[in-house]
Amino acid sequence: DAKTTQPNSMESNEEEPVHLPCNHSTISGTDYIHWYRQLPSQGPEYVIHGLTSNVNNRMASLAIAEDRKSSTLILHRATLRDAAVYYCILRGYQTGANNLFFGTGTRLTVIP
Amino acid sequence: DGGITQSPKYLFRKEGQNVTLSCEQNLNHDAMYWYRQDPGQGLRLIYYSQIVNDFQKGDIAEGYSVSREKKESFPLTVTSAQKNPTAFYLCASSIKGTEDTQYFGPGTRLTVL
Repeated sequence: DAKTTQPNSMESNEEEPVHLPCNHSTISGTDYIHWYRQLPSQGPEYVIHGLTSNVNNRMASLAIAEDRKSSTLILHRATLRDAAVYYCILRGYQTGANNLFFGTGTRLTVIP
Repeated sequence: DGGITQSPKYLFRKEGQNVTLSCEQNLNHDAMYWYRQDPGQGLRLIYYSQIVNDFQKGDIAEGYSVSREKKESFPLTVTSAQKNPTAFYLCASSIKGTEDTQYFGPGTRLTVL
């Protein structure tokens, strides 16, 4: 199964950019890279996803390495409300249900 | 408002009792999922369904059962056979299949006394 590897935790100062890394060295050609985040005692929420090109939306940016073996979620200005656990997951037609797997993610702490 | 609802938010049961957790969505999504989350851990898939009247086991289906009689509803029963049922249970849905973005409900925290 194609799995991802993320640091257990990261810290950031408020209003500074945050770069959350994810390694996925066994990614297949048809797998999309998805990011979700989970605030305490809530369900995860979708953040962003991409296939090959970098992606931007109102929440974040996703930078994907040229070989697609790693990606980085970028929060341009961290706020206290961004403190959450961030999950990097692979999704694809071939990946299927075998990889409906959320690891422990990266716990982001934002320091005021 | 479109979304996924789970009820109740907190649930207490005595050991040995079966309990059913509700999950409803009005997003017109075909696929629905149940996950379990233990403290400080990630999410583990219990069951998923990609179409009405059909569902598949996930990684930790033992001690759980589901039904999918309606598109909008995917209830999860935690049976007495589940050895350690106390956990946070999350329901999700996606438009079609497992490759799509998932939308999660607020979760039900089950405590078995």
